[in-house]
Amino acid sequence: EIVMTQSPATLSVSPGERATLSCRASQSVSSNLAWYQQKPGQAPRLLIYGASTRATGIPARFSGSGSGTEFTLTISSLQSEDFAVYYCQQYNNWLRGTFGQGTKVEIK
Amino acid sequence: QVQLQESGPGLVKPSETLSLTCAVSGYSISSGYYWGWIRQPPGKGLEWIGSIYHSGSTYYNPSLKSRVTISVDTSKNQFSLKLSSVTAADTAVYYCARRYSSGYYDYWGQGTLVTVSS
Repeated sequence: EIVMTQSPATLSVSPGERATLSCRASQSVSSNLAWYQQKPGQAPRLLIYGASTRATGIPARFSGSGSGTEFTLTISSLQSEDFAVYYCQQYNNWLRGTFGQGTKVEIK
Repeated sequence: QVQLQESGPGLVKPSETLSLTCAVSGYSISSGYYWGWIRQPPGKGLEWIGSIYHSGSTYYNPSLKSRVTISVDTSKNQFSLKLSSVTAADTAVYYCARRYSSGYYDYWGQGTLVTVSS
């Protein structure tokens, strides 16, 4: 099983600042990596797929990068609505995609 | 606009079978894609349970495989989850979602909390 490890567990950021979230895979997943945003009481929302392609309707302040085992989600200027939990998911193992444990972005 | 909606009992007794249904609107399951179930224990992360293709081909998380059955009813445009012999550890919010061909989930239901308790 491919294990996805996200860091940090919690990130404290002031509105308007940049946030950088990391996701590491236990083995190469090529660019088969997605990012999701989850707000309290809501379902996850797809942000990024293919490691760097924004999903439909996702603002340009969200960007993804990386390949192989190291990935980054960057939020260039945090807005109030961006404070949430973010999950990465690998789908290189096509039949069984696994999720990271999440990074909570909170207001500093 | 693709929409998914989970339904089923919110409370299940230990050792019994959890049964949920996901109704899909705005897209015909028969047209393709995989359809999956994902769960989230309170305060924890996401766990993939299993997926089904419109043809009925299924793929399950090995850790749950012995207890999971996912089926599809294309005539009703819905798919279902059964999880047998549940324990308190199966208490979670259960989501249904559409899995894009590559493997990520692009549409999700709102989720339904299932509590296992006597």
